[in-house]
Order: sequence, then C-alpha cells, then structure tokens
Amino acid sequence: DGGITQSPKYLFRKEGQNVTLSCEQNLNHDAMYWYRQDPGQGLRLIYYSQIVNDFQKGDIAEGYSVSREKKESFPLTVTSAQKNPTAFYLCASSLTNYGYTFGSGTRLTVV
Amino acid sequence: GIQVEQSPPDLILQEGANSTLRCNFSDSVNNLQWFHQNPWGQLINLFYIPSGTKQNGRLSATTVATERYSLLYISSSQTTDSGVYFCAVVLNSGYALNFGKGTSLLVTP
Repeated sequence: DGGITQSPKYLFRKEGQNVTLSCEQNLNHDAMYWYRQDPGQGLRLIYYSQIVNDFQKGDIAEGYSVSREKKESFPLTVTSAQKNPTAFYLCASSLTNYGYTFGSGTRLTVV
Repeated sequence: GIQVEQSPPDLILQEGANSTLRCNFSDSVNNLQWFHQNPWGQLINLFYIPSGTKQNGRLSATTVATERYSLLYISSSQTTDSGVYFCAVVLNSGYALNFGKGTSLLVTP
C-alpha cells in the first residue's frame, strides 16, 4: 500500500543536541512538506520541497534544516538553534497542489 | 500571509446531534481541504473541496469560493467523530497548505 512513513514515533532530545526525523513516501509524489503542531494549535509550515535537490523555507524555518536528495525522502533536522523544539511534527506529500497525504507524526520532547 | 479562521473553536455535542463547522479565508485559493485529526494525531483527509458541495455518508461540505468560506456538516454525530477538524487552503499563488487552528469536537454518549 502507498503511503508516508515517519520515524521514530517518539524522540527525546537533550539540550544542545541535533536530531533528525525521517519521512519516506512511496506515492511517487513530487512535493513534500514538514509541519509543526503545538498543543491546541493548527499546523505551521517549516519547509517544503517541490522537486529533488530544491526546497523552500516555510513560516517557521529558523532552527531547522532539510535535504531532498531522493524523491522518496525528506528528512528534517532539528538543530540546537531551535530553542523550543518540543512539538508534534508531521510530514506530508502531494501531487502539484492536491492529493495531500500525511504521515502519522513524530512527537519530539526535550529532556 | 493568508488568514484561515475556524469557528467555533470548541464544540460539545450529544450523540445523534447535528453540527456545522465554518472556515473563513482571506484570499483567493485553488485548493481547500477538510481534515479530521484523531486522538493519536493522524490527519485524515475528509474532503478536497475548492468549490461546490460534496457528501460522504454523514459528512458533507460546501465551499463558496467567491465569498471565501467553507462549511463542514456533521449529521447524526457519533462518539467516533470526536477529535479536531481542520480546514486548510492553498493560495492561488502558493503551493503548501495553510491551516486554521481547528475546531475541537467532543461527542458524548
């Protein structure tokens, strides 16, 4: 079955540490996205990529980095520069601007 | 950026009741979707509805693009309908979904 796989489901980060969240899709979608969700809030866009080897900043890109070396994969690194990283992170993919599909998310906690 | 406002923010219903959720947006869009987020965080796509009306079982949605709003109707609500409902839009000039803050629905037995 086609879909999006995010891993891990839960992640704990120590202060000053970089961590990488994985997102893989087998839907043959060109575009991929990373969103952050805080309790009681909607989703906010971190980064998106419309094509391999190209990506754009979203509304809250500071403290995050991404890469898009393969069509299927769009990993997100939460760097030590992100001062408040505890949140629920969702990855999505789409055809041009429809058919958006979301992964099941990663819950990141700073310890 | 575009503003996406959802109302009401919270809603409590008794099983069997009907409800209407509203989404207002501030700019022209070429995509509007309604999602249901379950208690485990999974986002389920309910409708792709940039304009017009669609129905799927007990759920239906209407988007009036010229007046920049969309409505989600839930009829004969069930406890499994509980969760957060999000409206999300894509600007005519844009690419990514822009989300409202959601309506949190609790259906009680």
